[in-house]
Amino acid sequence: DSGVTQTPKHLITATGQRVTLRCSPRSGDLSVYWYQQSLDQGLQFLIQYYNGEERAKGNILERFSAQQFPDLHSELNLSSLELGDSALYFCASSDLPSPNEQFFGPGTRLTVL
Amino acid sequence: GENVEQHPSTLSVQEGDSAVIKCTYSDSASNYFPWYKQELGKGPQLIIDIRSNVGEKKDQRIAVTLNKTAKHFSLHITETQPEDSAVYFCAARRGGTNAGKSTFGDGTTLTVKP
Repeated sequence: DSGVTQTPKHLITATGQRVTLRCSPRSGDLSVYWYQQSLDQGLQFLIQYYNGEERAKGNILERFSAQQFPDLHSELNLSSLELGDSALYFCASSDLPSPNEQFFGPGTRLTVL
Repeated sequence: GENVEQHPSTLSVQEGDSAVIKCTYSDSASNYFPWYKQELGKGPQLIIDIRSNVGEKKDQRIAVTLNKTAKHFSLHITETQPEDSAVYFCAARRGGTNAGKSTFGDGTTLTVKP
């Protein structure tokens, strides 16, 4: 158990809908990262927050947004969902903005029908 | 941006044999190279990492080597066991303001046959 929690574990929704994925980092970690893992594209970095502020941005679509709250939990919002958004979404956390190690959560499996 | 290529995509070995997975990267500014193991239904877990000022690092049966000139790094697992069966990912990351932005290889599915 990495100490990173993600909810929900599974999410099934329809095209055009909006969903919110939630992540709680390890106790004491200030940095949160979001990744998308799909079968054909591997593990893709989406975005990083450090202590409430956006730190680094990857291949995140404009339909997706994220934020980190004062209690350090983070939410990833996915809107106007398409079939191709079906994937595993992982959250990771670390104590520093430029860490040696990121601790990954168990992931949220999103299925868009 | 950074591009990381990982080979092979699948690897099958007999228990007790060694396994080697190789990655190449394109961004010469990358200075941190972690390896992750992902078991079915779980998130990736860091198993070993290396920084660009080091050529080799070992942790029991696992070792990583880095050739900065050639921009490639490799994972070596010796005396493989069935519990080593998993998907392994390499990654590359640079420091500075983009330190969080890791680029991953496509993964290697390792199967260790008993």
